[in-house]
Amino acid sequence: AQKITQTQPGMFVQEKEAVTLDCTYDTSDPSYGLFWYKQPSSGEMIFLIYQGSYDQQNATEGRYSLNFQKARKSANLVISASQLGDSAMYFCAMVGEDTDKLIFGTGTRLQVFP
Amino acid sequence: DAEITQSPRHKITETGRQVTLACHQTWNHNNMFWYRQDLGHGLRLIHYSYGVHDTNKGEVSDGYSVSRSNTEDLPLTLESAASSQTSVYFCASSDLGLAGVKSSYNEQFFGPGTRLTVL
Repeated sequence: AQKITQTQPGMFVQEKEAVTLDCTYDTSDPSYGLFWYKQPSSGEMIFLIYQGSYDQQNATEGRYSLNFQKARKSANLVISASQLGDSAMYFCAMVGEDTDKLIFGTGTRLQVFP
Repeated sequence: DAEITQSPRHKITETGRQVTLACHQTWNHNNMFWYRQDLGHGLRLIHYSYGVHDTNKGEVSDGYSVSRSNTEDLPLTLESAASSQTSVYFCASSDLGLAGVKSSYNEQFFGPGTRLTVL
């Protein structure tokens, strides 16, 4: 069975600083995909970044990067130069081989302060 | 622009009533999903569909049903609403996974959510 663990219920970061949100996963599938979604207070789910298990390089999307450590089964999200608008819930999720179902972690609430 | 919509956005109902939440996507995606979001649980999968006339149970399917009669719609029905089903419900869709190519997976696009309260 697949599982996603986010151990940080809440994180604080000062504006313009970098922050790392932790995500570990468990799967026996040789192939899988990892996703991060942002959920602001307005409630919508916004896709941020994707990492495939066979990708050799860590994924990056603007200020977001994914620190993928396959041996440790971790897929941490790094947000550089935090902005006030980054305050939101962040969810890590994965999809496994032969399925398109997403399994979500419980989320991390990030608060960016001036 | 392609989109995914949900209706209603807010619904209050009474215990025992049948409720149907609508989900409509114009992405022409094969895959559609229903999740519920509760504090401390993240998003949990209720039902999903990989195409017309295909439906599958997810992690928390008891008390819910879906049907897929066309590509665009996947309505979620609560047969007899219970207070435990008070939650925020999200519909999502994604393109069909690349069967046989186990190196790429497609992101899911989410609807805006429906807040359901069962009194």
